[in-house]
Amino acid sequence: EAGVTQFPSHSVIEKGQTVTLRCDPISGHDNLYWYRRVMGKEIKFLLHFVKESKQDESGMPNNRFLAERTGGTYSTLKVQPAELEDSGVYFCASSTRSSGRTSNEQFFGPGTRLTVL
Amino acid sequence: AQSVAQPEDQVNVAEGNPLTVKCTYSVSGNPYLFWYVQYPNRGLQFLLKYITGDNLVKGSYGFEAEFNKSQTSFHLKKPSALVSDSALYFCAVRDRNSGYALNFGKGTSLLVTP
Repeated sequence: EAGVTQFPSHSVIEKGQTVTLRCDPISGHDNLYWYRRVMGKEIKFLLHFVKESKQDESGMPNNRFLAERTGGTYSTLKVQPAELEDSGVYFCASSTRSSGRTSNEQFFGPGTRLTVL
Repeated sequence: AQSVAQPEDQVNVAEGNPLTVKCTYSVSGNPYLFWYVQYPNRGLQFLLKYITGDNLVKGSYGFEAEFNKSQTSFHLKKPSALVSDSALYFCAVRDRNSGYALNFGKGTSLLVTP
């Protein structure tokens, strides 16, 4: 079974440019998450999709970030315009739907390392 | 509010010795607790989780963790460390009453020397 994949693995852009990150979850996983780790700090939650709907976007830092999951399959995260503080590693994760008494683990992709110069 | 503390930036252990990576948490309700490991140039890999029941949880690669409610801790342990265990370890918590987001600690780098 293929794991969560992310593209690109690395991206270097200049301040003010636009970057789009892509995540392909594990097939059949309704839940898709985006996280970000800024250098040396904790991995921070950005948002959570259930199929194509945004379930929780409380972690999105500002309106320069736009996430979509059209059709409930892959997801994109666009940063426009990028700022220096957006640099970090962006992780995508997916999971199956949890029942009321369990919490299914999230499977993570390798991440996209974004550098804004 | 939820938070996770991993008090050690780095843990050094000789191969064959037991290892412990510490994690304490703060959550308003009852937690789900997780450990993930990240090897170089790889994504986070799930190791184990505590949901309910037995406080001692066994996971992948011989790792285990003990949930201690009174001390709000979930330390990761292994009886005999391997050089291949060297990696970055993350503890995470999720409040079962509020969403699916995981709250991570800042990570602990484990170095196992031959």
